[in-house]
Amino acid sequence: DAKTTQPPSMDCAEGRAANLPCNHSTISGNEYVYWYRQIHSQGPQYIIHGLKNNETNEMASLIITEDRKSSTLILPHATLRDTAVYYCIVRVRHSGYALNFGKGTSLLVTP
Amino acid sequence: ETGVTQTPRHLVMGMTNKKSLKCEQHLGHNAMYWYKQSAKKPLELMFVYSLEERVENNSVPSRFSPECPNSSHLFLHLHTLQPEDSALYLCASSQDSGSNSPLHFGNGTRLTVT
Repeated sequence: DAKTTQPPSMDCAEGRAANLPCNHSTISGNEYVYWYRQIHSQGPQYIIHGLKNNETNEMASLIITEDRKSSTLILPHATLRDTAVYYCIVRVRHSGYALNFGKGTSLLVTP
Repeated sequence: ETGVTQTPRHLVMGMTNKKSLKCEQHLGHNAMYWYKQSAKKPLELMFVYSLEERVENNSVPSRFSPECPNSSHLFLHLHTLQPEDSALYLCASSQDSGSNSPLHFGNGTRLTVT
């Protein structure tokens, strides 16, 4: 699976959009981009995934650049409960079972 | 509520003890996983079960012994652990294994080995 690079930490004011970047410059054509988050003392939570089209669900939007070398997770109206570590993962369909979570981005939402 | 329940939430055990971690999923999934999360380290995959059959053992020491009696339940039996085995042990499930179906995690068991 391709390596991902994320900033170690970010801040966001409550009510504002949180835009979390992820670089995956070595991504191959059949690798999906996944986002999970882990709130302190809880297990990771699936947020969203995509291949090449932008995706949106009730939690977030995923914007993938046309060359697929980077993506951005958007939380449109961040709340204090969105404070967590956010993980960007790329993996090939049917490539096995391990998810390489890396170190992620620690997002702090402030009042 | 994630649909994946782990018990106990916290466990303290001595190095000579035998204990078991339990995981139950209420999502109708066919695959279940054990992950280990040590302090300041990324999650590490330990075991994968698909339709109650172990399909991956990620070089885990034999002092960790998994059991999957049915597709809804997963156990991790522990014996003669070391202090470095202290970690958060996470159970997860997915619709099937080997595809891109998202994983649903429980909230983990915080294990301390004394």
